[in-house]
Amino acid sequence: NAGVTQTPKFQVLKTGQSMTLQCAQDMNHEYMSWYRQDPGMGLRLIHYSVGAGITDQGEVPNGYNVSRSTTEDFPLRLLSAAPSQTSVYFCASSASGITDTQYFGPGTRLTVL
Amino acid sequence: DQQVKQNSPSLSVQEGRISILNCDYTNSMFDYFLWYKKYPAEGPTFLISISSIKDKNEDGRFTVFLNKSAKHLSLHIVPSQPGDSAVYFCAAISGNTGKLIFGQGTTLQVKP
Repeated sequence: NAGVTQTPKFQVLKTGQSMTLQCAQDMNHEYMSWYRQDPGMGLRLIHYSVGAGITDQGEVPNGYNVSRSTTEDFPLRLLSAAPSQTSVYFCASSASGITDTQYFGPGTRLTVL
Repeated sequence: DQQVKQNSPSLSVQEGRISILNCDYTNSMFDYFLWYKKYPAEGPTFLISISSIKDKNEDGRFTVFLNKSAKHLSLHIVPSQPGDSAVYFCAAISGNTGKLIFGQGTTLQVKP
């Protein structure tokens, strides 16, 4: 099993550009989520999904969209990148819910100029 | 408002000694607590957890203590090893929101 994979590992964007961060898991996990990590802030939940076709907002959802068309994939879309979205983004998955062990991907480091 | 706080950004201990990492929370609705460990350029990995109905949980060298009246939990690592050097995140879950809330993290350095 590859576990949770994220692409790309690094990305530089200009303000106003859009892009999609990819996340995939091969563990048949129902629950998937996206976090951002900023210095001194820990990890903050952006969006999460409890299963295919179901998504919900986390603590800091503004500026981000998600969809969950398959169990395996949970892409995160930045519609119009802003410098405040410079961060490290982590995707995570768990078998059935938030109290199950969360497995994190290696992260995507995004810089918005 | 930071609901989960790790007030010590860093901690340095000698190999073989005890490491104690602390975490405070403000939301009395939190009913499940976890510790994650993170190495540079990697995602966090689950370390140990505790339910609010317990006050202690052990797993090998790692023990988590929960003091609900003080809204405080701590992670003890005994004995500490150089490979334990990492960032440690405390996290909490409220059953009625279904969200995992993280603290800011504490960087542990274990010196040989």
